[in-house]
Amino acid sequence: QVQLVQSGAEVKKPGASVKISCKTSGYTFTSYYIHWVRQAPGRGLEWMGIINPPSGSATYAQNFQGRLIMTRDTSTSTVYMDLNSLTSEDTAFYFCARSYDDFDHWGQGTLVTVSS
Amino acid sequence: QTVVTQEPSLTVSPGGTVTLTCTSSAGPGTRGFYVNWLQQKPGQAPRALIFGTTYKHSWTPARFSGALLGGKPALTLSGVQPEDEAEYYCLLHHGDVWVFGGGTKVTVL
Repeated sequence: QVQLVQSGAEVKKPGASVKISCKTSGYTFTSYYIHWVRQAPGRGLEWMGIINPPSGSATYAQNFQGRLIMTRDTSTSTVYMDLNSLTSEDTAFYFCARSYDDFDHWGQGTLVTVSS
Repeated sequence: QTVVTQEPSLTVSPGGTVTLTCTSSAGPGTRGFYVNWLQQKPGQAPRALIFGTTYKHSWTPARFSGALLGGKPALTLSGVQPEDEAEYYCLLHHGDVWVFGGGTKVTVL
């Protein structure tokens, strides 16, 4: 069955970077895009960006331009999200989601806490 | 930057019907309105209900339906069940980016 399994919770200091992984299985990795979405405590969902696994090309939401990088490793069917220059506003759950425009499968979420 | 607006909250009685709408400041994109609807319950990841504005996933209960109403994307819940109490988000595709609505909290009371 299709699975997206994310790495564990992270605690970071302001100004640091965080890298979260999303390991996929149960389908052909290069056939679906992967999106990243975040949700701050008590807030709504926020689309961060999308990566195309065959090429590795990514598109980012305007709010994250310049400090977000998405990469992939086709040998392990894993996508990575690297967010730098963290502030307390980046404290949130981060989700990866598989999509061919339908967002049908989601990772379990990774909590990132930014605190001094 | 595109802003997508949803009703903040709606209340519906068990067995009743409720319609949620989704308004984009940018209007329809080049694909027209390509909308996904997702349900999220507390402490859980979102779950996709509708894609391509009207299409259901295999797990989507028949009581959920997506449509364009008055030119706006809409999600209708008919014969609401207590387990439908949740936050519902629309997700629109505009060019190269996707934009979430602010979410609608549906209370079943």
